[in-house]
Parts: sequence; structure tokens; C-alpha cells
Amino acid sequence: EVQLVESGGTLVQPGGSLRLSCLASGFTFSAYSMHWVRQAPGKGLQYVSAINSNGDRTFYTDSVKGRFTISRDNSKSTLYLQMSSLRPEDTAVYYCVKAETGTYNDWGQGTLVTVSS
Amino acid sequence: DVVMTQSPLSLPVTLGQPASISCRSSQSPKYSDGNTYLNWFQQRPGQSPRRLIYKVSNRDSRVPDRFSGSGSGTDFTLKISRVEAEDVGVYYCMQGAQWPVTFGQGTKLEIK
Repeated sequence: EVQLVESGGTLVQPGGSLRLSCLASGFTFSAYSMHWVRQAPGKGLQYVSAINSNGDRTFYTDSVKGRFTISRDNSKSTLYLQMSSLRPEDTAVYYCVKAETGTYNDWGQGTLVTVSS
Repeated sequence: DVVMTQSPLSLPVTLGQPASISCRSSQSPKYSDGNTYLNWFQQRPGQSPRRLIYKVSNRDSRVPDRFSGSGSGTDFTLKISRVEAEDVGVYYCMQGAQWPVTFGQGTKLEIK
């Protein structure tokens, strides 16, 4: 059974930094692209960032370029999202998602990031 | 970016009655490999999204057969043949053919 367990979400002040982690199990982590998708309170779903299976290609939505960095450690089956210069509009539940071509197979339970003073 | 437009945004339905959600994309979600990467997700209250349908009409293994997907080009539909109480939640379409992937605004299904 695929399991994706996010952690690291917390309350942080505007301008602060945070690192999210996603521990994967139940599949060959190193064979899949992984994405982060977020959902602001009461709002819809927004793609944030993606990384290919071996970690040498990364992608970001425009609003987080230059502030967020996605990475992975295949030896630990773990996905990361380093977030800096955080803004109130980054407040959201962040989901770790296992991706295949054109689709999202499995989602984690999410971790809540709140950016507020 | 490809814009996904869902309608209606709110869908009150009587138990046992059918329901239908429309999703229109600003560009075709047909990829160069010939597949149309149009997905449907269900998000129950307090839960993570889960995939129901992929490539327009392929139902995931754990999904009841009362759910079906159809469509082509830029117009797609999710149908529930007989709504049950456990179907309450928000439904999203998503295109995965063009980068970045994009979602519809969501349709909130509630029991009338």
C-alpha cells in the first residue's frame, strides 16, 4: 500500500523559512516523479512544484519561483520542500503527491503551513 | 496555463438521484502520446483528494461503478448514477497534458 506522510508544517512569521518533508513507502520511490500541491483554507487545489525521479529536473509555479526549492533523497524515500521568504498567501495545506504521466495516483494526508504574525 | 472551468460550483442532489458535473478546458488535454489526460478527484470533508477517474473514463479500482467519466476535445463530464451519502464532498477535474497541471475550481456536492 502506498503511503505518503508529510511533516514540518507549522505557524511561521512572514519572511520566515520552513522545510516540509514527505516520507514515502509502499512503492519504488526512486522510479516516480513527485509533486507538491497546496490548498489554501476553503479554496481549491494548486500545483506548487515537481521533481523528476532522479532529482535532476525541478519545476515551480510562478508564485514560488526563487523562494521554494524542491529536492529528494531517494536513499531515504523522502521528498522535501524548502520554503523561504514566506508570505501570508502561502498559508495552505501542502500535499505530497505521487505522479505518473498526466495524473496523480496517490496523495498524502497533508501538512498545514500558516504564515502569520 | 490551461484554464479548467467546472459547472455547477454547487450541486444539491437528492439521495438516489443522478448527478452530473461538467468540466471545460481552454485547450485540449490531449498529449503528444495520443492520450487525453483528464482526471477527476473527490475530496470528502476533512480528507485528502483521491483520484476517481483518469484518462477521461478509466475508473480507479476502489471506485464504485456508479461513477463514470466521459467527454472529448475540451468538454468532459463526471456522472454519478445514484448519489449516496458518502459522495458528499468537492469534486475537481484536472488536466495533466500541459505544464503546469491545472485544476478546476471544484464542485461542492451536497445532499438536498
